[in-house]
Amino acid sequence: NAGVTQTPKFQVLKTGQSMTLQCAQDMNHNSMYWYRQDPGMGLRLIYYSASEGTTDKGEVPNGYNVSRLNKREFSLRLESAAPSQTSVYFCASSETFGDSNQPQHFGDGTRLSIL
Amino acid sequence: SQQGEEDPQALSIQEGENATMNCSYKTSINNLQWYRQNSGRGLVHLILIRSNEREKHSGRLRVTLDTSKKSSSLLITASRAADTASYFCATDAEDSSYKLIFGSGTRLLVRP
Repeated sequence: NAGVTQTPKFQVLKTGQSMTLQCAQDMNHNSMYWYRQDPGMGLRLIYYSASEGTTDKGEVPNGYNVSRLNKREFSLRLESAAPSQTSVYFCASSETFGDSNQPQHFGDGTRLSIL
Repeated sequence: SQQGEEDPQALSIQEGENATMNCSYKTSINNLQWYRQNSGRGLVHLILIRSNEREKHSGRLRVTLDTSKKSSSLLITASRAADTASYFCATDAEDSSYKLIFGSGTRLLVRP
């Protein structure tokens, strides 16, 4: 039971470099999310995709782009990494959107350091 | 601003004791969820309580919700070392857009 799989698990970048964080879920969920987790801040929503073919901004979208490649995959791209983007990034999925009764299922995160 | 805030920020107890964590929120909600996060891992959904419910149980977990005080509590009974983790509450976004807003969490340490 893979659930939500994130790659890579760890990454170190230099300021200005770009990279894409990958996320895939095998639960046939319609909705997917990207969060960042910083010490003492809880999780903050970066972008979400309510369904295949749609994406929307969350609380902290600046500096990021996303692509919902298909129903299974949702990627997060940093075009020009900045030290303020050092964080742990979590991908999550839920069966549907628009129904907050749905629990979200999380991957184990990507730990990203930007020097 | 965060919708949910947990209290205390950190809690250390002996194995076998009960652990109580609290969550306060600011606006009306449809439901409140609790999640657990083990070190280095993602969040795992524990329990959901709807706004019209006052108490819910799941195994050793007991969640209460007081909508008049805009607060919830998570009680873990007969704690085990394996319960050591961070616990987060999550509520609906203030704009009712169905997005979840997570609190900053309570770090629980259960000493063997």
